[in-house]
Amino acid sequence: DIQMTQSPSTLSTSVGDRVTITCRASQSINTWVAWYQQQAGKAPKLLIYQIANLGSGVPSRFSGSASGTEFTLTISSLQPDDSATYYCQQYSSYPWTFGQGTKVEIK
Amino acid sequence: QITLKESGPSLVKPTETLTLTCTFSGFSLTTSGVGVGWIRQPPGKALEWLAVTHWNDANHYSPFLNNRLTITKDTSRNQVVLTMTNMDPLDTATYYCAHRRIWVGLDSWGQGILVTVSS
Repeated sequence: DIQMTQSPSTLSTSVGDRVTITCRASQSINTWVAWYQQQAGKAPKLLIYQIANLGSGVPSRFSGSASGTEFTLTISSLQPDDSATYYCQQYSSYPWTFGQGTKVEIK
Repeated sequence: QITLKESGPSLVKPTETLTLTCTFSGFSLTTSGVGVGWIRQPPGKALEWLAVTHWNDANHYSPFLNNRLTITKDTSRNQVVLTMTNMDPLDTATYYCAHRRIWVGLDSWGQGILVTVSS
């Protein structure tokens, strides 16, 4: 099974700040990584797929990148509505696996 | 517009079998590249993928559930059913179904259903 190690687990930051969340895969997953945003009490929402492609209606302040087996979600300028938990997921092979989540709190 | 909605019992007893139905609209499970997956989330914990079914009848399951899962689809009724046998209190979670596009991931999710396992 492919492990997705996500960091940090929590992040406390301010509106307007640049936020970076990282996921490291335990083996190669090529481009098959997605990022999801889950606001409190709601279902997850697809933000990014295949490393860097934005989901439908996702603001351009969200972006994704990769270096080898390390994948990064960046929020260029944090907005109040971005307070949420973020998950990475690999869909390169079964079983699909998620990271443990990063909770982004706004100071 | 793609919508999905989970339905089923909110409370089951230990050792019982859970049956959840995902009713969807806005797409067909006969379209190439399309699938429906199930994911769960215990209270306060991370997401866990359970199973997925596809337009081409390819089904895949989480190996961590020890063969307790069965996923079926009814394309005429636009429904996907997940059954989980031998329920345990540790299976208490919100269960989500989600639409899958083959290169994209899980791009539309249902609202989720909280299932509690307790005697």
